Amino acid sequence: AQKVTQAQTEISVVEKEDVTLDCVYETRDTTYYLFWYKQPPSGELVFLIRRNSFDEQNEISGRYSWNFQKSTSSFNFTITASQVVDSAVYFCALNTGTASKLTFGTGTRLQVTL
Amino acid sequence: KAGVTQTPRYLIKTRGQQVTLSCSPISGHRSVSWYQQTPGQGLQFLFEYFSETQRNKGNFPGRFSGRQFSNSRSEMNVSTLELGDSALYLCASSLAPQSGNQPQHFGDGTRLSIL
Repeated sequence: AQKVTQAQTEISVVEKEDVTLDCVYETRDTTYYLFWYKQPPSGELVFLIRRNSFDEQNEISGRYSWNFQKSTSSFNFTITASQVVDSAVYFCALNTGTASKLTFGTGTRLQVTL
Repeated sequence: KAGVTQTPRYLIKTRGQQVTLSCSPISGHRSVSWYQQTPGQGLQFLFEYFSETQRNKGNFPGRFSGRQFSNSRSEMNVSTLELGDSALYLCASSLAPQSGNQPQHFGDGTRLSIL
């Protein structure tokens, strides 16, 4: 069985603060893929990043960075110098590659205020 | 490139009715998946279609069904609606199944309210 845990239900930060969203996953498969999606109030899930189980390189994209550690089964997401537009619900998801089914975490609501 | 299009955006129904939701995938995408999002259960996988065939199904009752057409457009149907079916229904498309290699792209969703 697969499981994704996002222990942080809600995080509030002031603009320009750095914030890290935690994601811990469980799977018995050796090949799997991890994703982060952003859901603004409009409802659409916006794809942010995909990482496969064989690539533990961290990734940086502008103010966003991701830290993948197989040893701790974690795939954490950091926003540097947060902005009000970053306010949204962020979901971590897992796919084992045998089907399109994504297993989502419960999401972390990020509120960035001025 | 147009994104995933879901219609309608909002829908209000009463218990016992049935409803059909529509999803047009990104051009060239042949796999369509449906998810239900509720405050209590979060995002849950409903089913996946590829080449007009259902490939996977989540743990939902038979009242939830779907289909895919030759142009990859998909519809999902919920019969005998219950109050608990109130949710945001999200459609996602990808080039092919086994989307670990390609991300799924989601539409804006259809918000279904049951009175």
